[in-house]
Amino acid sequence: AQSVTQLGSHVSVSEGALVLLRCNYSSSVPPYLFWYVQYPNQGLQLLLKYTTGATLVKGINGFEAEFKKSETSFHLTKPSAHMSDAAEYFCAVISNFGNEKLTFGTGTRLTIIP
Amino acid sequence: EAQVTQNPRYLITVTGKKLTVTCSQNMNHEYMSWYRQDPGLGLRQIYYSMNVEVTDKGDVPEGYKVSRKEKRNFPLILESPSPNQTSLYFCASIANPYEGTDTQYFGPGTRLTVL
Repeated sequence: AQSVTQLGSHVSVSEGALVLLRCNYSSSVPPYLFWYVQYPNQGLQLLLKYTTGATLVKGINGFEAEFKKSETSFHLTKPSAHMSDAAEYFCAVISNFGNEKLTFGTGTRLTIIP
Repeated sequence: EAQVTQNPRYLITVTGKKLTVTCSQNMNHEYMSWYRQDPGLGLRQIYYSMNVEVTDKGDVPEGYKVSRKEKRNFPLILESPSPNQTSLYFCASIANPYEGTDTQYFGPGTRLTVL
């Protein structure tokens, strides 16, 4: 069975600073990995995904993530935080393509300090 | 506009009073799914449907029912709600299942409180 671990339920960074949100996964088969963002009182929006090919994936709003198989990681980064980045971020994995179930991490709430 | 809609967005009810949360998508997607989101637990799948009249249990199906009589709709039914079903519920859909590469589109969520 697959699982996802997000280190840090709350992360605070200053505006303009580097954003780093950590995600580690376990999967018995090659995974497909996703980052979703949830703004207050809204549903989840896909930021980026890794399926195959290039391990550095670029997403919306300046975010990117790198799939590192040797470290079983898929950390999310953004070089310069903006106030509008304040939200909750979820890492997720699909490794059972029979039911397309996304297995989510517990989420990281990102706060931006002015 | 391509979207997944849920109704109601907010609901407060009492233990044992049957309720239905509707989910509808306008993208002609085959696959639909229900998740619940709880603090510290992330999102967990309740039920999913690969196509019309095809439904199956996810990780936390107890206390829930679903139906898929038509492609666009996938209602979530709580026959006898209990306080432990107080949660934030999301419906999602995908165009092409079995591949894992398609983006799941999420509805805006339904916040349910069971007293």
